[in-house]
Amino acid sequence: GEDVEQSLFLSVREGDSSVINCTYTDSSSTYLYWYKQEPGAGLQLLTYIFSNMDMKQDQRLTVLLNKKDKHLSLRIADTQTGDSAIYFCAEIPSGGYNKLIFGAGTRLAVHP
Amino acid sequence: NAGVTQTPKFQVLKTGQSMTLQCAQDMNHEYMSWYRQDPGMGLRLIHYSVGAGITDQGEVPNGYNVSRSTTEDFPLRLLSAAPSQTSVYFCASSRQGANQETQYFGPGTRLLVL
Repeated sequence: GEDVEQSLFLSVREGDSSVINCTYTDSSSTYLYWYKQEPGAGLQLLTYIFSNMDMKQDQRLTVLLNKKDKHLSLRIADTQTGDSAIYFCAEIPSGGYNKLIFGAGTRLAVHP
Repeated sequence: NAGVTQTPKFQVLKTGQSMTLQCAQDMNHEYMSWYRQDPGMGLRLIHYSVGAGITDQGEVPNGYNVSRSTTEDFPLRLLSAAPSQTSVYFCASSRQGANQETQYFGPGTRLLVL
């Protein structure tokens, strides 16, 4: 079945890099996403990667995709207190047009 | 543009009551959807619509009805609320289906069913 798994919590020091990991089960997924949710708010799309790519960089964000291991990661360089939020990994499974499957979310806490 | 708006922000219901969660978008998006968010479970798709007059079930549709009479509005109805429907509900929209376009999320409705 379709499943997306993430660790639930990550704590980093301000200025360090954060790496949030995600594993998914559908090897035919076409798109994989990272969303950010700040307290009391909806989800905001941070970035996405198409399945034929293995890396995508966007300013402080780097997404790495290992299709063989079905592993996706989000690296945030120079993590700031404003990066404290819940980060969700999501996939579009094969045949799942219009249907996002989300992980449970990783709560990132940034401390001084 | 206001983006995706949801009302109410908070609601308390008694078991068996009915209510409608409102969702509207002013971006002329064809695709709209409803998710529920529960602790430790991420978001799960309830229903979605690819355009006015067209709706379909998502992952957890039981206990919920939707309709899409206009492009702008996509209300979610709870016919007989149950405590298991206590959750945070998010509406989302995009220009096309989720796999090619950014989905924009509303701020959410927190629902407590007693």
